[in-house]
Amino acid sequence: DIQMTQSPPSLSASLGDKVTITCQTSQNINKYIAWYQQKPGKAPRLLIGFTSRLVSGIPSRFSGSGSGRDYSFSISNVESEDIASYYCLQYDNSPWTFGGGTKLELK
Amino acid sequence: QVTLKESGPGILQPSQTLSLTCTFSGFSLSTYGMGVGWIRQPSGKGLEWLANIWWDDDKYYNPSLKNRLTISKDTSNNQAFLKITNVDTADTATYYCARIEDYPGIRGSYYFDYWGQGVMVTVSS
Repeated sequence: DIQMTQSPPSLSASLGDKVTITCQTSQNINKYIAWYQQKPGKAPRLLIGFTSRLVSGIPSRFSGSGSGRDYSFSISNVESEDIASYYCLQYDNSPWTFGGGTKLELK
Repeated sequence: QVTLKESGPGILQPSQTLSLTCTFSGFSLSTYGMGVGWIRQPSGKGLEWLANIWWDDDKYYNPSLKNRLTISKDTSNNQAFLKITNVDTADTATYYCARIEDYPGIRGSYYFDYWGQGVMVTVSS
């Protein structure tokens, strides 16, 4: 199984900050990584697919990058509505695996 | 408009079989490239992928659940199903189903795009 090491587990930011979350995989996943946002009591929401493909309707302050085993997800100009947990998902190999999650809080 | 909705028993006892149904609209599981997956999340914890089923009836399972899983579909009624045998308290979680669409010609497009609202399942004696 491909292990996903997502960091940090939690993040405190001020409005307008840029924040970055990383996922390191145990082997090359060929850019097959997606990023999700989850608010309490809600289902995850797809933000980015295939490393950097922003989903239609998602604000451009969200972005993703990476290759090989190292991937990152960023939010520039954090807004209050971005307060949530974020998860990465590798779908290169079965079993698909999620990162442990990052909880973004307001400072 | 794509929608998915999970349904399940709510509560069940250890050693029983959990049967979950995902009823969806806005797509067909008989269409090339379509799939549905199941994911669960214990309260306050992270997401765990369980299984996927594809339009051609190809199936993939998380081996960590040691052959307890069975995924299936009913394309006529736009439903997908998941059974988990011999449940115990560790199976208590919110269970989600989600759509996958593998767009022809678009590399790496087959991730979970639309999700259901989730159904809470409690295993307790």
